[in-house]
Amino acid sequence: AQSVSQHNHHVILSEAASLELGCNYSYGGTVNLFWYVQYPGQHLQLLLKYFSGDPLVKGIKGFEAEFIKSKFSFNLRKPSVQWSDTAEYFCAVNVQGTYKYIFGTGTRLKVLA
Amino acid sequence: DARVTQTPRDKVTEMGQEVTMRCQPILGHNTVFWYRQTMMQGLELLAYFRNRAPLDDSGMPKDRFSAEMPDATLATLKIQPSEPRDSAVYFCASGLAPGTRSQETQYFGPGTRLLVL
Repeated sequence: AQSVSQHNHHVILSEAASLELGCNYSYGGTVNLFWYVQYPGQHLQLLLKYFSGDPLVKGIKGFEAEFIKSKFSFNLRKPSVQWSDTAEYFCAVNVQGTYKYIFGTGTRLKVLA
Repeated sequence: DARVTQTPRDKVTEMGQEVTMRCQPILGHNTVFWYRQTMMQGLELLAYFRNRAPLDDSGMPKDRFSAEMPDATLATLKIQPSEPRDSAVYFCASGLAPGTRSQETQYFGPGTRLLVL
């Protein structure tokens, strides 16, 4: 069965630190990849998505992610985090044509001012 | 700015009562998903519809949960009878399928926060 792993459950960083959140999936076919962010008390918002082409994807709020097919990974990065990035981040995989997402368990990021 | 809307935003009820949650997908979207989010289980897919027909409801407890799409602009999730363990945030998401790969994106509503006492 397909699965998505987010190895970091909780991350605490100081402002201006660099961020990298890991996401690995298990599926050998064609997938679409997503990162969503959920700010405290709010709904999931799409940060960025990858379908094809350039494996380095840029999203909103200065986030980017790199798809490395050989490693089945889609890690999220931001060079310098802000206090307002405190949120929970979810990686999701959609097997092409199934319309169904498989979500990771999420990573809670706390940025200290 | 098209958005998924959900009502109510918050619901407090007593065990045994019926709860109905509503979702209005983005106009033109034909796929609707219901998720439940809890601290313990994270984000779980309960059911999803395409063109108003249920495609998969294997994540939903069948004895008390039911999901329907009376029309293309309304999806409902009903719990009867409700139990304290149903306390969670219930999210609806919508998308467009089949479409181009770039259209296979789910857009989430604000959620219904349910507390069953």
